[in-house]
Amino acid sequence: QAQLVQSGAEVKKPGASVRVSCKASGFTFSGYYMHWVRQAPGQGLEWLGRINPNGGTTRYAEKMQGRFTMAWDTSTTTVDMELTSLTSEDTAVYYCAREGSGFDRWGQGTRVTV
Amino acid sequence: DIQMTQSPSSLSASVGDRVTITCRASQGIGYSLAWYQQRPGKAPELLIYAASRLESGVPSRFSGSGSGADYTLTISSLQPEDFATYYCQQHYGLPRTFGQGTKVEVK
Repeated sequence: QAQLVQSGAEVKKPGASVRVSCKASGFTFSGYYMHWVRQAPGQGLEWLGRINPNGGTTRYAEKMQGRFTMAWDTSTTTVDMELTSLTSEDTAVYYCAREGSGFDRWGQGTRVTV
Repeated sequence: DIQMTQSPSSLSASVGDRVTITCRASQGIGYSLAWYQQRPGKAPELLIYAASRLESGVPSRFSGSGSGADYTLTISSLQPEDFATYYCQQHYGLPRTFGQGTKVEVK
């Protein structure tokens, strides 16, 4: 069945960068937009960006422009996110999600602590 | 950006109660609305998409309705496993904005 499995928790110092991976399995990777969403402690869900694995086009949240990038690898069916110039405000759980009709599959989440 | 406003931000209810959560978009979004349930420490799970379509495997006590800018999630008879936080999300345009969430707590 369709599944998204993310890389493990990260602890970073302010100013550093972090890369989180999301491996897709059980579905045709190129057939779905993939998104990243984050959730700061005790807060709601914040959309970060989207990638079309069939072509690689990306769109990012305006507040993340310049610090946030998404990349995909169709050979390994992995979607990565990288966030640079980390501050304490980037401390959150980061989720990847597949967009079918709504975000119908989610990764388990990766905790990033700055 | 399309802003999504949920109400209430929290509510207290008992098992068996009928629960209604509303979500208002800052503009019409043409039925492009999803609802998610999130339990503590877990990823969100899709309940409803296209405003009223039940995701496969979701109990029929969950239903969605609405049109234009105003949408509703209803739980017809609250069960113990339904105490959680619920989010709406528009999938009409980018960014894919979420409501701020509604926490359903035990009364």
